[in-house]
Amino acid sequence: QVQLQESGPGLVKPSQTLSLTCTVSGGSISSGDYYWSWIRQPPGKGLEWIGYIYYSGSTYYNPSLKSRVTISVDTSKNQFSLKLSSVTAADTAVYYCAREFPADYWGQGTLVTVSS
Amino acid sequence: EIVLTQSPATLSLSPGERATLSCGASQSVSSSYLAWYQQKPGLAPRLLIYDASSRATGIPDRFSGSGSGTDFTLTISRLEPEDFAVYYCQQYGSSPPTFGQGTKVEIK
Repeated sequence: QVQLQESGPGLVKPSQTLSLTCTVSGGSISSGDYYWSWIRQPPGKGLEWIGYIYYSGSTYYNPSLKSRVTISVDTSKNQFSLKLSSVTAADTAVYYCAREFPADYWGQGTLVTVSS
Repeated sequence: EIVLTQSPATLSLSPGERATLSCGASQSVSSSYLAWYQQKPGLAPRLLIYDASSRATGIPDRFSGSGSGTDFTLTISRLEPEDFAVYYCQQYGSSPPTFGQGTKVEIK
């Protein structure tokens, strides 16, 4: 059974960079033909797909966030990561990592609050 | 990008009733690459339906999906108490993948 777990700071100051890591267990990131995504959900609102990294390392980002997003993978640790720069209060959300399109496995989500 | 519009925003029904949720797309969804998710408070979304009509692993057969092009439907044949939740559609045929704004199915 594949499991995903997000980790990272729950509070980030405005203008700083949000950094999260997703640790995958129960399967290897590099062994399958999968997309690994980040998705977010502002409190009380709907879902927004941020971007994905393919097992080969290629990436695609939502054009609305593209200038601020970087997704990378560390196959030795079976992790993939999200960096979102120049954050504002509008980036406050629960951030989920997920596998594939459509997303069949999700992490539990982690709330990141942007506040000084 | 493809905009998905879900209706109604809220559906008030009783256990045992049939629920019909709609998802309309601003452009045709390629290859019927449309999914439905269920989300309960405080939890991550759960995949119910993919490719418009295929049930994900472990999903009860009271959940069914249909549609193509720009009009899609999720039907719950007989609502169980655990089915009261928010439901989202998502298209993944065109980049970027996009979600609808959700339909809340609440107990009447």
